[in-house]
Amino acid sequence: QVQLKESGPGLVQPSQTLSLTCTVSGFSLTSNSVHWVRQPPGKGLEWMGGIWGDGSTDYNSALKSRLSISRDTSKSQVFLKMNSLQTDDTAIYFCTRLGPDWYFDFWGPGTMVTVSS
Amino acid sequence: DIQMTQSPASLSASLGETVTIECRASEDIYNGLAWYQQKPGKSPQLLIYNANSLHTGVPSRFSGSGSGTQYSLKINSLQSEDVASYFCQQYYDYPWTFGGGTKLELK
Repeated sequence: QVQLKESGPGLVQPSQTLSLTCTVSGFSLTSNSVHWVRQPPGKGLEWMGGIWGDGSTDYNSALKSRLSISRDTSKSQVFLKMNSLQTDDTAIYFCTRLGPDWYFDFWGPGTMVTVSS
Repeated sequence: DIQMTQSPASLSASLGETVTIECRASEDIYNGLAWYQQKPGKSPQLLIYNANSLHTGVPSRFSGSGSGTQYSLKINSLQSEDVASYFCQQYYDYPWTFGGGTKLELK
């Protein structure tokens, strides 16, 4: 069955770089798109960006200058790197698979990232 | 960016009641809209896509409707397991954007 799971450090210092991994199973990264969505505590959802089956990427313009998404298809993993973290980047970070018509049909459980010194 | 405005922000309803949540887009999104349910401490789960198509495994008491800039999610015969937050999302244009959410509680 389709599964996604995020992993990464729970705590990042301000101005540092966040690195997260999404490990997927039950589908192929070469024929599916995986995206990242984040949610500050108690707040709404923000689409960050994603990687398509052909390896191309799309980013939210609000984050594009700080964000990079890549993948390793042999390991069924998608990576997020975001630099210059600030306290308002504190959030739960989800990876999610894109369905046939660009909605998110399966989600990982999320990983909490706190930006603090 | 397309702004998605959800209402109400919170809602209290009784078991068995019918509940409607609204989502208004700042421009026409041509039915490129999904609804998600998020229970506390969990990830969002897809309920409805393309404004009115029920995702696999979602109970038929959930339905979506609307067009243009106005969309709604209806829950018939509210059950205790429906207590959650609900979010709409447009995927018509980049950046894909979400509504602020509606928190549904039992009265």
